[in-house]
Amino acid sequence: ETGVTQSPTHLIKTRGQQVTLRCSSQSGHNTVSWYQQALGQGPQFIFQYYREEENGRGNFPPRFSGLQFPNYSSELNVNALELDDSALYLCASSPPGLAGGSTDTQYFGPGTRLTVL
Amino acid sequence: AQSVTQLGSHVSVSEGALVLLRCNYSSSVPPYLFWYVQYPNQGLQLLLKYTSAATLVKGINGFEAEFKKSETSFHLTKPSAHMSDAAEYFCAVSARGSARQLTFGSGTQLTVLP
Repeated sequence: ETGVTQSPTHLIKTRGQQVTLRCSSQSGHNTVSWYQQALGQGPQFIFQYYREEENGRGNFPPRFSGLQFPNYSSELNVNALELDDSALYLCASSPPGLAGGSTDTQYFGPGTRLTVL
Repeated sequence: AQSVTQLGSHVSVSEGALVLLRCNYSSSVPPYLFWYVQYPNQGLQLLLKYTSAATLVKGINGFEAEFKKSETSFHLTKPSAHMSDAAEYFCAVSARGSARQLTFGSGTQLTVLP
């Protein structure tokens, strides 16, 4: 069984540019969440997608946006990059629950390391 | 609002010694609690989770954690440390709701000394 995969593994951008990060959920998982992990800190929740709709958002500005596709893969888009956006971006997927929705457990991918110069 | 406090950003133990990583949480409703491990340049791997009435939870690699509601704690333990346990450990909490976002602590770096 293939786990959560993310691409690219590393990325370097300059201030003001836009970036798209991609995530493929673990097979059968219907919920995707994105987290930002700055150096030396714990991950912070950006947003979650369930059945192609945003299902919760953390304290991040609108220039952070996302998509979930019918195959449950997902993208994270960041516009107008700032130096503080440099971080490891983690994607996590969750399997469906028995009564619908998703279960409580999130399975993480290896992350994309974004450096903004 | 929920929050997690991990006491001790760095913990060092000798190989074979007890590992104890502390986690206290704050939540207005009964939470779900998790411990994740992160090896260098990798994502997070789930060690164990508390989601039910069983307060002592066993996880992978010999780790376990006990949910103590009266102390709002969920400390992680392992009886005997191994060199391969050296990593960063994160405690996380989520509400029993539809979004189920995880709120993480700041992490504890575990060093295992030979």
